[in-house]
Amino acid sequence: QSVLTQPPSVSAAPGQKVTISCSGSSSNIGNNYVSWYQQLPGTAPKLLIYENNKRPSGIPDRFSGSKSGTSATLGITGLQTGDEADYYCGTWDSSLSAGRVFGGGTKLTVL
Amino acid sequence: EVQLVESGGGLIQPGGSLRLSCAASGFTVSSNYMSWVRQAPGKGLEWVSVIYSGGSTYYADSVKGRFTISRDNSKNTLYLQMNSLRAEDTAVYYCAREYRGMAFDYWGQGTLVTVSS
Repeated sequence: QSVLTQPPSVSAAPGQKVTISCSGSSSNIGNNYVSWYQQLPGTAPKLLIYENNKRPSGIPDRFSGSKSGTSATLGITGLQTGDEADYYCGTWDSSLSAGRVFGGGTKLTVL
Repeated sequence: EVQLVESGGGLIQPGGSLRLSCAASGFTVSSNYMSWVRQAPGKGLEWVSVIYSGGSTYYADSVKGRFTISRDNSKNTLYLQMNSLRAEDTAVYYCAREYRGMAFDYWGQGTLVTVSS
């Protein structure tokens, strides 16, 4: 059972927009930065968003992040078939020892 | 170019020990926070352990007392010593560098550890 709650799956058509939610509490999302990762099948996770809404170099602006209270959201616009992957949110939880935590992951299907 | 390359995974019997290595290039391991993250087959990501640049180490409750994270500054390599292995430790183990806001900006390709008799 993950500390952070994500929907197991989302889907949308190519070209459309999709959002993925990540729900937590005051001990994690509420008081810490959130990051987002994309994991394509059979590969290592890749950082998409850090510090709630910043993109590393090379990440297209189709990907965006936001945070409000104890929830965070990843947005993807202009969906492409290559975006089909698992997406994870991550943060720090002050109630755990050095507690880096991840959400359970969301499978994005591009129909 | 930053690169992380894990090695040391394999098939091990329950109760056995294994040491994973993560060779880094393009940056200095000892100047960064470095973590191990694992992923059981078909499951999500689980943070395992971190070593801070100052040398402090922390562990997830699920591995505390059994796993030890360390580094060799001369080899620019991160390690994870895993003892008293259990079936539930079966996973792909990734090493990752921490960036700002405790985000992981670089990941290795992962090494598979299978604990089974």
